[in-house]
Order: sequence, then structure tokens, then C-alpha cells
Amino acid sequence: GAVVSQHPSRVICKSGTSVKIECRSLDFQATTMFWYRQFPKQSLMLMATSNEGSKATYEQGVEKDKFLINHASLTLSTLTVTSAHPEDSSFYICSAGDGYNTEAFFGQGTRLTVV
Amino acid sequence: AQSVTQLGSHVSVSEGALVLLRCNYSSSVPPYLFWYVQYPNQGLQLLLKYTSAATLVKGINGFEAEFKKSETSFHLTKPSAHMSDAAEYFCAVSYSGGSNYKLTFGKGTLLTVNP
Repeated sequence: GAVVSQHPSRVICKSGTSVKIECRSLDFQATTMFWYRQFPKQSLMLMATSNEGSKATYEQGVEKDKFLINHASLTLSTLTVTSAHPEDSSFYICSAGDGYNTEAFFGQGTRLTVV
Repeated sequence: AQSVTQLGSHVSVSEGALVLLRCNYSSSVPPYLFWYVQYPNQGLQLLLKYTSAATLVKGINGFEAEFKKSETSFHLTKPSAHMSDAAEYFCAVSYSGGSNYKLTFGKGTLLTVNP
């Protein structure tokens, strides 16, 4: 199957700083990628849809100025958590479809801890 | 609008026993349905999917699920649990007529396998 790689897998940052998470489709091109957030022992909540070459579409309640999404190429989407606070600590996962298979492929996830 | 309900946030079985994880969905259009498994601090791995073909779907690791339209259900089963099956399981639905890569997840079921 198609491979989606996410980096870093784990990051610790200080409160007030920004952190960038990368999501790459390694063997296919993805015009659309998705970013999810998962709180401990909870489900995945869609944060936004990342569209190549255009603005991301954010779900209701997600602060677009805090969670900046850039999809500059067909193989890379980035999520930047700006001015991070401890409540932003979470597990972030991206996904993408390859246009051939009916299922989305997920990255390995990024564990963000804000101290 | 779509939604997924997973009955039972925690299921505990003995090794060798039947595994049954319940999933009911709500969708106004023909759905695509998925079961994913997640191990701690990892991304999601697809177990199986229903995309309007055979209603009984076989997946990896001996899992299978049956799509029952009349019951709006897509329960996951495995005849004999193995210790390695202990993980979090998510049922998800997408919209077959549109972006089938955008998923709505259930809250997840933690499967514990006792020796």
C-alpha cells in the first residue's frame, strides 16, 4: 500500500514556541491530506483538510491561526502549532489518499508535549 | 451527516475466545466503512474495509466484518483472540460519493486479551 511518513514522531517544546510537523506521501501524490488530533484514550478528531496549492479547510472549533497548515507540494503538508500551550499537547496524525485505493493511509503520528 | 457509534469502550476476552467489537453507523448516503487498529503511540493500520461490494469482508490477522444495511451495523469479529490483538480499534465511515478519504471515527474500543 501507499506510504505516508510523518516527522517528528515525538517532540517536546516550551510553552510559547512554535513547532512544525511534516506529513509526506512517499510513493504517491496527494492533492488532499487530512490532519487529525487525538487526545489520550479518545478518538481521532478531524482538524482540517489540507489542499495542495490553496488554503486549508478547518473544521468548526479549530483555530486556524493557531494551527497553520501549508500544502506547498503534492507530497508534503505541514502543520505548525503556533505559540504552543500545554493544552495543545496531544497526538497529531495525518492521512492521505492515493487516488487509486478506497482507503486513506495514515502517518505514524506525532506526540507533542508542551512544557 | 455521518456518525459512528462503537458500543463498549473496553472489551476484555480470554486468549482463544471470540472477539466481537460493535459498530453502528449513520449515513444519509451509501457509506464506505473501515476498521482500523492502533497500537500505543502509533498510527492507524487498516484491518478491513467495506466499499459496496461483498457484505462479508475479510481482513488481515483473521478479522472479518459484515455490513448489514438493515441494522446499519458493521461489527468486527475474530474467531480466536490472540495476545497480539490487544490494541485500540476504531470504526470509521466515509462518504462514498465524495471524498472517501475524509473519515469520521467512532470513539474506539480498547481490546484486552487475557492469558
